[in-house]
Amino acid sequence: NAGVTQTPKFRVLKTGQSMTLLCAQDMNHEYMYWYRQDPGMGLRLIHYSVGEGTTAKGEVPDGYNVSRLKKQNFLLGLESAAPSQTSVYFCASSSSARASGRDNEQFFGPGTRLTVL
Amino acid sequence: GNSVTQMEGPVTLSEEAFLTINCTYTATGYPSLFWYVQYPGEGLQLLLKATKADDKGSNKGFEATYRKETTSFHLEKGSVQVSDSAVYFCALSGDTGNQFYFGTGTSLTVIP
Repeated sequence: NAGVTQTPKFRVLKTGQSMTLLCAQDMNHEYMYWYRQDPGMGLRLIHYSVGEGTTAKGEVPDGYNVSRLKKQNFLLGLESAAPSQTSVYFCASSSSARASGRDNEQFFGPGTRLTVL
Repeated sequence: GNSVTQMEGPVTLSEEAFLTINCTYTATGYPSLFWYVQYPGEGLQLLLKATKADDKGSNKGFEATYRKETTSFHLEKGSVQVSDSAVYFCALSGDTGNQFYFGTGTSLTVIP
């Protein structure tokens, strides 16, 4: 099993450009998450999904959109990139709390390093 | 609401020294508690977890005990190695189980 994979690993954008980050998981997990990691701020939740076709806002959703058209994929879109979105983006997945109890570990991808100039 | 506070780093220790990284939490209900580790250039990996009060999670020589009375989940290791150099994150999963709350991370460097 590959676990959680992210594409691309690195990207440089100019202000105003758009892009989509792809996350894929092969563990049949219900839940998927997008986080950003910035120095001194830990991980902050951008959006998450509790199942195919559903999405919800996290702590810092502004400037991002997401889609979960297939259970195994969770896409994060930046419609008009800004320098403040320079960050490392992590995707994670977990089984549902109902399926695994409260013991629902999150599995993380390797990250995408995005720079917006 | 739910939140996690962990000691700020960076922490620098000599090999074989004792490690403590403090973590306290605020939560409604009965959260599960986790420690994740991030090695340079990688994503986060689960280090250990505890799902109820007085549970002790342990892995790779690291331990943490879920203390409800002090709302704490401090990470300890008796003898650190150079290979333990990483960033450590404390986290909690709320009652609904579908959101995690992470601390800001503590960077540990172990020198030979």
